[in-house]
Amino acid sequence: KNEVEQSPQNLTAQEGEFITINCSYSVGISALHWLQQHPGGGIVSLFMLSSGKKKHGRLIATINIQEKHSSLHITASHPRDSAVYICAVEGAAGNKLTFGGGTRVLVKP
Amino acid sequence: DTGVSQDPRHKITKRGQNVTFRCDPISEHNRLYWYRQTLGQGPEFLTYFQNEAQLEKSRLLSDRFSAERPKGSFSTLEIQRTEQGDSAMYLCASSWTSGQGDQYFGPGTRLLVL
Repeated sequence: KNEVEQSPQNLTAQEGEFITINCSYSVGISALHWLQQHPGGGIVSLFMLSSGKKKHGRLIATINIQEKHSSLHITASHPRDSAVYICAVEGAAGNKLTFGGGTRVLVKP
Repeated sequence: DTGVSQDPRHKITKRGQNVTFRCDPISEHNRLYWYRQTLGQGPEFLTYFQNEAQLEKSRLLSDRFSAERPKGSFSTLEIQRTEQGDSAMYLCASSWTSGQGDQYFGPGTRLLVL
């Protein structure tokens, strides 16, 4: 079993729909990161969480430390949101990231 | 541009050849990370530096792989005697410090071993 599991692996939505991506992890962490990767490889950090909830524009990230679970929500999705979204955890020692397998999101106009 | 840069962006080589990649982190960042990503998978940790010290190496990093950060600024990742299984995207990231510091990623070097 991987230390970081994401679901779903693939997601197709119509423009305007609400999207939720889930991440579960099995190890102690100091922080959880949500990352976005567009075709061509570039990775952009969206959020870093150690508790609670963060919001940036149409993106919302939540984390439940007790349940070892995080969600990334995209409200009013748009075709430009199409990308791979990756959950990654930073270990309790606070060094390297351990990544989930990613969720490929396609938003159709 | 003060982001993380990587060079080259693409590399095609024949099996058995040596390749070297370079990463220039954000200048004030003291931590530098190397990750590898194969097609359709999430990235995997290879190694990281704090200043010039290499603090951790993954078991993925075989004896054919070596990384350096000689002056605590840029880093190089060398792969000797490349194999087809080394084909992947090699990602570099940097951060100021651990635990609460965002990691900033470079564009990656895509390696294809024929």
